[in-house]
Amino acid sequence: QVQLVQSGGGVVQPGGSVRLSCAASGFTFSNFGMHWVRQAPGRGLEWVAFIRYDGSDKFYPDSVKGRFAVSRDNSKTTLYLHLNDLRPEDTAIYYCARYKVENSYYYCMDVWGEGTTVTVSS
Amino acid sequence: DIQMTQSPTSLSASVGDRVTITCRASQRIDIYLNWYQQKPGKAPKLLIYAASSLQSGVPSRFSGSGSGTDFTLTINNLQPEDFATYYCQVSYRVPLVTFGGGTKVEVK
Repeated sequence: QVQLVQSGGGVVQPGGSVRLSCAASGFTFSNFGMHWVRQAPGRGLEWVAFIRYDGSDKFYPDSVKGRFAVSRDNSKTTLYLHLNDLRPEDTAIYYCARYKVENSYYYCMDVWGEGTTVTVSS
Repeated sequence: DIQMTQSPTSLSASVGDRVTITCRASQRIDIYLNWYQQKPGKAPKLLIYAASSLQSGVPSRFSGSGSGTDFTLTINNLQPEDFATYYCQVSYRVPLVTFGGGTKVEVK
């Protein structure tokens, strides 16, 4: 079945780095753009990264630009998020999500990973 | 940047009620608006895309409406499994994404 299985994360010191992974199965991974979305404790959803289906373009909000880096390996059907220079406010559950187009124009996140927790603390 | 304002931030309802959640965009976004449901400890789940199209497998008691700047998610005959937090999300400037602040539907 279509699924995204996440790994990585954990407790990281401020200023540290961590890599998150999102392994896709059940669909042609190389046909889909992919997002990362995070959720701080008790807060709402915040978009943090997007990568095109072939890795040719990447987008970030200002809150993480220059510190986070999204990448993918289509041969391994795996998405990555590299988190660098981490701050306490980056503490959150991080989700990967597939970006699907409906009726040629309407994009939505139709498949989500289970989430992985990153805690930034000394 | 497009801002999305959801209201209310929370509401209390009973099984069988009709619930309405609204989302307002800071500029016109045609129908590039999606709705998600999130239960505690779980990933969000897509309910509705393009403002009013029901995602496959989602019960028909969920419906969406609106275009331009004002959108509504309606849950008819609220079921026990519908107590959750709901988010709107705009995909107007693809692939940039903005979520609303969320609406928590609680048991009255």
